Amino acid sequence: DAMVIQNPRYQVTQFGKPVTLSCSQTLNHNVMYWYQQKSSQAPKLLFHYYDKDFNNEADTPDNFQSRRPNTSFCFLDIRSPGLGDTAMYLCATSKGGAADSNQPQHFGDGTRLSIL
Amino acid sequence: AQSVAQPEDQVNVAEGNPLTVKCTYSVSGNPYLFWYVQYPNRGLQFLLKYITGDNLVKGSYGFEAEFNKSQTSFHLKKPSALVSDSALYFCAVRDLILTGGGNKLTFGTGTQLKVEL
Repeated sequence: DAMVIQNPRYQVTQFGKPVTLSCSQTLNHNVMYWYQQKSSQAPKLLFHYYDKDFNNEADTPDNFQSRRPNTSFCFLDIRSPGLGDTAMYLCATSKGGAADSNQPQHFGDGTRLSIL
Repeated sequence: AQSVAQPEDQVNVAEGNPLTVKCTYSVSGNPYLFWYVQYPNRGLQFLLKYITGDNLVKGSYGFEAEFNKSQTSFHLKKPSALVSDSALYFCAVRDLILTGGGNKLTFGTGTQLKVEL
């Protein structure tokens, strides 16, 4: 089945130690999104890629970066994690283009990140 | 900006009974509405969407939603609840089409559904 896979599912890291989360997709979707979801809250969009074009949300901290080396893979890098970055990080994909703007997003199962 | 509201943090229902999870929206223009479900330690799963057409939208796992323009509501319903339906439910509205493509969703705060025997 086509899907969105996130690795690792759980990650514990130390305050200030860089961490990378990965996402891969077999849906061949143009758009990939990264969300942050804190406990029992709604997901918050951090940024998205349309193909190789990166688009940052205005309120996403500079500490959060992303890379998309090809269509299938996307990475979330947190350069110096703080305690407040403890959250579930969700990757999602969707088709691109205006004609597909009403298509649903497909989510991975997330990475639960804990900063100690 | 578009927004959705989920007025109930939690809904409790007995197995076999009908369930309703409420959502109201505020948009300029035509609303594009979605329901997602999230099980513990999992991502969001798409249930259904309303774009245009019939006010009653059928989705996955026996869920349906009723779009009501006059009441600006998009309530999620299921005729007979199962214990396995217990999860966190999010209503969402398409906020805008993102640069280059894709869509930005604005999510409600979520409603925890608990179905008991």
